[in-house]
Parts: sequence; C-alpha cells; structure tokens
Amino acid sequence: DVKVTQSSRYLVKRTGEKVFLECVQDMDHENMFWYRQDPGLGLRLIYFSYDVKMKEKGDIPEGYSVSREKKERFSLILESASTNQTSMYLCASSPNPGQNYEQYFGPGTRLTVT
Amino acid sequence: RKEVEQDPGPFNVPEGATVAFNCTYSNSASQSFFWYRQDCRKEPKLLMSVYSSGNEDGRFTAQLNRASQYISLLIRDSKLSDSATYLCVVKAGGSYIPTFGRGTSLIVHP
Repeated sequence: DVKVTQSSRYLVKRTGEKVFLECVQDMDHENMFWYRQDPGLGLRLIYFSYDVKMKEKGDIPEGYSVSREKKERFSLILESASTNQTSMYLCASSPNPGQNYEQYFGPGTRLTVT
Repeated sequence: RKEVEQDPGPFNVPEGATVAFNCTYSNSASQSFFWYRQDCRKEPKLLMSVYSSGNEDGRFTAQLNRASQYISLLIRDSKLSDSATYLCVVKAGGSYIPTFGRGTSLIVHP
C-alpha cells in the first residue's frame, strides 16, 4: 500500500518565519509534487520533481522553494511566510507516465500564517 | 479558458438517486483520464481511471467522449457515504503532470 506522509497536519506560523514542510513516500516513485488547495481555486501546482535534485516550477512557485536530496523525500520551503500563504498544502508522488499511472496524495498540512 | 472544467455544484440528491457529472477538457493531446474523490478535509484519492471503451466499478460508471472532449461519471443508487467532491483529472500522453478540475461537490441526503 502506497504511503505518502507529511510532517504536520496543522501548523501555525508567524509572518516572516521560514517554514519547512516535509513529505516522504515509500513507493520508490520518481516524481513528487507540491500543491496548495484553496476554496474555489482547486489544486494548484507549486513545484514538482522528476528525480533527485531535479525540480520544475509549477503554476504558482513565487514565494516557495523546494529541495529533493533523496528520492523518497521532497521538502517545500516558505522563505518568509506571508498571510496569503495560509492554505492546505498537499504532497503527492507518482511513478513515471505509463499504464498504471496514478498520483498518491499525503494527508495534507493545513498551514495558517498569522 | 480553463483546461479542465467542471460544474462546482453542489449537487444535492436523495439517497438512492442516480446522479451524473460531466467534465470538459481543452487539450486534445490528453491521453489519460481519471476521477478522484476528495472527502471533506481529506486528501484526493483515485476513484477510477476512465478508459476509451468506458468502464464500470459497482455503482460507478465512467465514460469518455474524445470527439466532444468530455468525460462523465455516473453514480447509481447514491449512498450517504458518496457525499464528497469529485475531481476530474486529465493528463497528456507522456506528461508527468496531470491537470485537475476544481471539483464537483455532491451531497447525498436521507
């Protein structure tokens, strides 16, 4: 059974703090993703990584950076948290495109920036 | 124009009803199609893939119409536990990144 875990379910941070969100998957998937989900806006891709140390910007990368030092771990970094980054953050992993392609999501981190 | 469009709903139906959702996509290079289900405050989970010939899984039937560029999801004999948001997901062949619709909310009431 695929497991994608995220370091925190709920997080409260102050404006200007540096925030680290961690994601770990146990299925040896090549690809990992960070999304944020806001009411009425759906899932929006922040960054994705197709290999260790490789990353690609998604639709809304501004204010975020990522790190993938190991295949199973993908970190999202908010360099200086702002109130407009209050959101649900979802990590996902997937194998390479192929017959059994599927994205598996972690439980999400609800981040509040005050 | 959004790449994947869904009616946000909510669709409010009684138990036992049949309900159908449609989803349209704009990228004609799309090759893979999925329906995901997301319960309130939970992560999305794959409900079913959508194949060219259509496919059925119990009370759920998914259809693909490539000519008109839409996919559909039919739920028969709705249960209270079917209440959730249903996300339409489309992916171009060989692409690493799927495109999600914003979801259709279903509320099944007693």
